[in-house]
Amino acid sequence: EVQLLESGGGLVQPGGSLRLSCAASGFTFSKYAMSWVRQAPGKGLEWVSGIGGTDDGADNADSVKGRFTTSRDNSKNTLYLQVSNLRAEDTAIYYCVNCWSGHWGQGTLVIVSS
Amino acid sequence: QSALTQPRSVSGSPGQSVTISCTGTSGNVGAYKYVSWYQQHPGKAPKLLIYDATARPSGVSDRFSGFKSGNTASLAISGLQADDEADYYCSSYAGSSTWVFGGGTKLTVL
Repeated sequence: EVQLLESGGGLVQPGGSLRLSCAASGFTFSKYAMSWVRQAPGKGLEWVSGIGGTDDGADNADSVKGRFTTSRDNSKNTLYLQVSNLRAEDTAIYYCVNCWSGHWGQGTLVIVSS
Repeated sequence: QSALTQPRSVSGSPGQSVTISCTGTSGNVGAYKYVSWYQQHPGKAPKLLIYDATARPSGVSDRFSGFKSGNTASLAISGLQADDEADYYCSSYAGSSTWVFGGGTKLTVL
């Protein structure tokens, strides 16, 4: 059974940083590009960042360029999202997603507030 | 990286059929077959309904069907049931490990 388990969310002040993690199991993690998708309270889904299966390139949405960085450790079957210079509008549930297979984690909530 | 365009809301009575459209560009929906549809109930993670524009994962009811023509994809739901009331999102591959989502459509079962 495919499982994606996010962690690392929490309350952070504007301008602060966090590292989100996603532990994957139940599939060959290194074969798949992975993504982070977020959902602000009461809003729709927004693709935020993605990375190739063998860490061969990552890209971010314009809204987070220069502030968010996705990486992965295939030896640990883990995806990461380093978020920095956080703004109030970054408040959202952050989902770890295999967009190719359609599997989602349950999400981790990031709240940016003073 | 503009979002795909979906109607904000659709509605139908139990037993009826509805269709939700998803319009993109030649750089996403028009370029790839990799269009997915998701159903999201309040407080839950999205659930995959359709992948590769028309394919249904095992376990998903055949009341859900996907179509794609040019830059527009569509999700059809037949035999509406109360539990179909949810938000629906389309997504499309956009190249170089990037994806784009639609703004979401709220389905109300009257």
